[in-house]
Amino acid sequence: NAGVTQTPKFRILKIGQSMTLQCAQDMNHNYMYWYRQDPGMGLKLIYYSVGAGITDKGEVPNGYNVSRSTTEDFPLRLELAAPSQTSVYFCASTARDRGDYGYTFGSGTRLTVV
Amino acid sequence: QKEVEQDPGPLSVPEGAIVSLNCTYSNSAFQYFMWYRQYSRKGPELLMYTYSSGNKEDGRFTAQVDKSSKYISLFIRDSQPSDSATYLCAMGARAAGNKLTFGGGTRVLVKP
Repeated sequence: NAGVTQTPKFRILKIGQSMTLQCAQDMNHNYMYWYRQDPGMGLKLIYYSVGAGITDKGEVPNGYNVSRSTTEDFPLRLELAAPSQTSVYFCASTARDRGDYGYTFGSGTRLTVV
Repeated sequence: QKEVEQDPGPLSVPEGAIVSLNCTYSNSAFQYFMWYRQYSRKGPELLMYTYSSGNKEDGRFTAQVDKSSKYISLFIRDSQPSDSATYLCAMGARAAGNKLTFGGGTRVLVKP
């Protein structure tokens, strides 16, 4: 049972480049989330999804896009990367519809934009 | 003012001491409260989870919630060097999306 898998683990992007951060879970969780973590700032919600085909913005969505075509996958797209997007990105999932409110997190993607 | 406030530390204690962590919050709509532990360069992992005011114990960990004061605490008894990590409080409400709001984390160092 792999839980939440994020790829890649590390990436360096040049300003203006684009990339997709991958997230997959094998726990049949309906709810999935993308957070970014900056030093000393805690976790800020970028986008979330309550099921396949349904996504919504979080606290800091600008510069990002998501899609949710399957229950398992929730990729995060960065268009026109900027230095302000240098951060550690975490994907998480939960089975809230089964009464479980705790999140399972992936191991993160460390992104540097130069 | 942040919705959830947490002292960043670092908090340094000798092995065997009690570690005391806390968070304050401003949103009275929060209904459930969690503590996550995050080791360096890893994702957060859920430690404790509670709905109501009062205490919840799990092994060496005790979580306290005081909704009237908007204050939550985590105590770690008999601390071990392996408890050295960043501890994040998180809270949410049974609204659409089950979004959690996190504190900034407290870094804890347990010295042998």
